[in-house]
Amino acid sequence: DTAVSQTPKYLVTQMGNDKSIKCEQNLGHDTMYWYKQDSKKFLKIMFSYNNKELIINETVPNRFSPKSPDKAHLNLHINSLELGDSAVYFCASSLGLAGVNEQFFGPGTRLTVL
Amino acid sequence: QQPVQSPQAVILREGEDAVINCSSSKALYSVHWYRQKHGEAPVFLMILLKGGEQKGHEKISASFNEKKQQSSLYLTASQLSYSGTYFCGTGAGGTNKLIFGTGTLLAVQP
Repeated sequence: DTAVSQTPKYLVTQMGNDKSIKCEQNLGHDTMYWYKQDSKKFLKIMFSYNNKELIINETVPNRFSPKSPDKAHLNLHINSLELGDSAVYFCASSLGLAGVNEQFFGPGTRLTVL
Repeated sequence: QQPVQSPQAVILREGEDAVINCSSSKALYSVHWYRQKHGEAPVFLMILLKGGEQKGHEKISASFNEKKQQSSLYLTASQLSYSGTYFCGTGAGGTNKLIFGTGTLLAVQP
């Protein structure tokens, strides 16, 4: 069974469009994250949720809106896509606080904005 | 501030050893190490906590110097499967997030 899953795996779209990425974990974890990995491979935290509550928002543009309907799911909606949004987006989860617990990553969603 | 890793890249022959370093400008309470193979997700290797506790894989070793805000990952008798990009992730006091380092690309050749 897949621990952390994301859909879609690839997303190719035009500038200005709106798109969503979905994430689900079946590990029973209560903390979930969205990371962005750019072309230079830098892995940067975007958001973190704990039991459906937003606890980290790393000065991400308002065009990005995460939503956690329950603690097993964390979705990311992006409005008015820009060229600079092209990246690989990883969802991750952990049992408790980020600093002291192993994080499990999903397979990633490669977003290409044309 | 993103932790700085060194070296940026290293090429090894099978069986050789390597050390990857991670340095932060902030006081840390934890350091994580992850490995990411090309086209795949990062995979956890180990956590080092302030005070000396460690959690991780038996075949991986690392150190954490709290005073110097540095950590080192030791890869001994490298295997082809060790190839990938290694990231440290640092946890600073008062935050509930990891800041990942600049990455070190490791290539192990036969």
